[in-house]
Amino acid sequence: EAQVTQNPRYLITVTGKKLTVTCSQNMNHEYMSWYRQDPGLGLRQIYYSMNVEVTDKGDVPEGYKVSRKEKRNFPLILESPSPNQTSLYFCASSLSGGRNYGYTFGSGTRLTVV
Amino acid sequence: SQQGEEDPQALSIQEGENATMNCSYKTSINNLQWYRQNSGRGLVHLILIRSNEREKHSGRLRVTLDTSKKSSSLLITASRAADTASYFCATTSRRGSEKLVFGKGTKLTVNP
Repeated sequence: EAQVTQNPRYLITVTGKKLTVTCSQNMNHEYMSWYRQDPGLGLRQIYYSMNVEVTDKGDVPEGYKVSRKEKRNFPLILESPSPNQTSLYFCASSLSGGRNYGYTFGSGTRLTVV
Repeated sequence: SQQGEEDPQALSIQEGENATMNCSYKTSINNLQWYRQNSGRGLVHLILIRSNEREKHSGRLRVTLDTSKKSSSLLITASRAADTASYFCATTSRRGSEKLVFGKGTKLTVNP
């Protein structure tokens, strides 16, 4: 089944403890992206990647890192999480980006930083 | 940066009725897309309409696009309780970015 797989689904952590949210797609998509969703603010893009080893900042990149060493994987790294990063996170992929194709989203990761 | 703005923010209808949601945007677009999100779950792509298209259909969904008014509408005909979800419009700009910019969504409730 074509899908984007995120792990974990739920995560509670403490301020300052490094964490990684994994994202993997099995559709050979070139474009991958991370969004966060917050009440009243909607979905905002954190980082995106056009292809392997090509990443760039979205609208809210502060406090996050990403890497794209393989085409299928696009992990989101929080080096020192803070409570304002408590949010619902989504990974998405697309064949070549939103200009021609829709995105396929993962099921989301609900992160709580205490 | 929010591009699309959905209207209404919330809509409650009876099963069998039609549901219409609107989206307005500010800058020139390459395409406009509609997504559905069931509570707390991932978004599901419904339909993509390009800037040179005026109307598109997919099953019970009908999407229109009016680039002169910078607006789009999503019509769901003969709604079902399973259509209960939030619906988002998203746009890509004409300037070459692959990024999808999402609106804040319309929360649709279909009562059995």
